[in-house]
Amino acid sequence: EAGVAQSPRYKIIEKRQSVAFWCNPISGHATLYWYQQILGQGPKLLIQFQNNGVVDDSQLPKDRFSAERLKGVDSTLKIQPAKLEDSAVYLCASSLPRKASYEQYFGPGTRLTVT
Amino acid sequence: QKEVEQNSGPLSVPEGAIASLNCTYSDRVSQSFFWYRQYSGKSPELIMSIYSNGDKEDGRFTAQLNKASQYVSLLIRDSQPSDSATYLCAVMNYGGSQGNLIFGKGTKLSVKP
Repeated sequence: EAGVAQSPRYKIIEKRQSVAFWCNPISGHATLYWYQQILGQGPKLLIQFQNNGVVDDSQLPKDRFSAERLKGVDSTLKIQPAKLEDSAVYLCASSLPRKASYEQYFGPGTRLTVT
Repeated sequence: QKEVEQNSGPLSVPEGAIASLNCTYSDRVSQSFFWYRQYSGKSPELIMSIYSNGDKEDGRFTAQLNKASQYVSLLIRDSQPSDSATYLCAVMNYGGSQGNLIFGKGTKLSVKP
């Protein structure tokens, strides 16, 4: 079974530029999550999708971050404009539908450096 | 503010010893608990999940849960240098329509040959 795929793996941009990350979840996983992990911290949830609907985006900085999951499979997370404090690893995770399993499986992540 | 607390370490144990990692959580209604292992520069890897009080064993790993004390732990028996990593405790409650994971900052484990 293929795992969660993410791209790019690394990205370096200047502040005020925009950037987009892509995620393809494990086949059959209806729930998709985007996390931000700052060095030395645990992952922090940014947004959660159930199929193509947003379940929780309470911690997403909506003035600069946006995310979508068209057709309930792939997802894109965008930052525009980027700030220095956005430097982090952006992790995508997926899980089976509710009542089946709450275990989340992570992709390899995208390491973003904002200069 | 729902919190998950872990000792950041580093926790250093000799090869072959038992490593004990601890985690406390603040939200009494939390219902699911997970341990993830994260090697440096890699993403978190799920190693254990536990949902009810008591012990759950999987190979060299044992997860222990005490909901009354709001405490969850991970024991690693016969520790190997390859176990050296950061271990993240994650707690889920079922607020709203879905569960969200709240992670601790992780405990860095170093197993010395």
